[in-house]
Amino acid sequence: KAGVTQTPRYLIKTRGQQVTLSCSPISGHRSVSWYQQTPGQGLQFLFEYFSETQRNKGNFPGRFSGRQFSNSRSEMNVSTLELGDSALYLCASSLGVTGDYTFGSGTRLTVV
Amino acid sequence: AQTVTQSQPEMSVQEAETVTLSCTYDTSESDYYLFWYKQPPSRQMILVIRQEAYKQQNATENRFSVNFQKAAKSFSLKISDSQLGDAAMYFCAYRGKQGAQKLVFGQGTRLTINP
Repeated sequence: KAGVTQTPRYLIKTRGQQVTLSCSPISGHRSVSWYQQTPGQGLQFLFEYFSETQRNKGNFPGRFSGRQFSNSRSEMNVSTLELGDSALYLCASSLGVTGDYTFGSGTRLTVV
Repeated sequence: AQTVTQSQPEMSVQEAETVTLSCTYDTSESDYYLFWYKQPPSRQMILVIRQEAYKQQNATENRFSVNFQKAAKSFSLKISDSQLGDAAMYFCAYRGKQGAQKLVFGQGTRLTINP
């Protein structure tokens, strides 16, 4: 079965712009989580969605937002991009809120 | 808040040898999950092994096994018969069973396999 699909794989944006990243979970998985990975801060939790509802949110500014659709696909949006937002953004899905996560290959965002 | 610490930024091992990666964590919860993930250059985080805190028996998956010491809050990963394909970043992670069930990751250990 297909894994977690994240699009695009690479993205270059200019400071001040906004960006939308997409994540399609494994079929049947209803929980989607997002993580930011940087060399300095490591892996940090952004938010988790289950059945279109945000269950948890990490300690990120309001410029970071997300949503989940009825087919469990999720998007995250970052507005007013800053250089520090350059990172690998990983999406993970699980069957339920307590299941093991399966990760996608991430979207590499570069802000210039 | 829970924290996870990996004190070895880099490790190297000869092919076919055994290597142990260290991880310690801090939590006030009594039941939780611990994981080791592998991240190769392809960037995808791959689950290597999981351990439930209430299970005293150490988890094993083929060449991968853990030494779970709950009282010491230690969770090390042993890789036996190391293979070139084991080269990757390895992350230790904690996930609680109460409240926000997010993954809390350590900083990672880069494992190099020498042929």
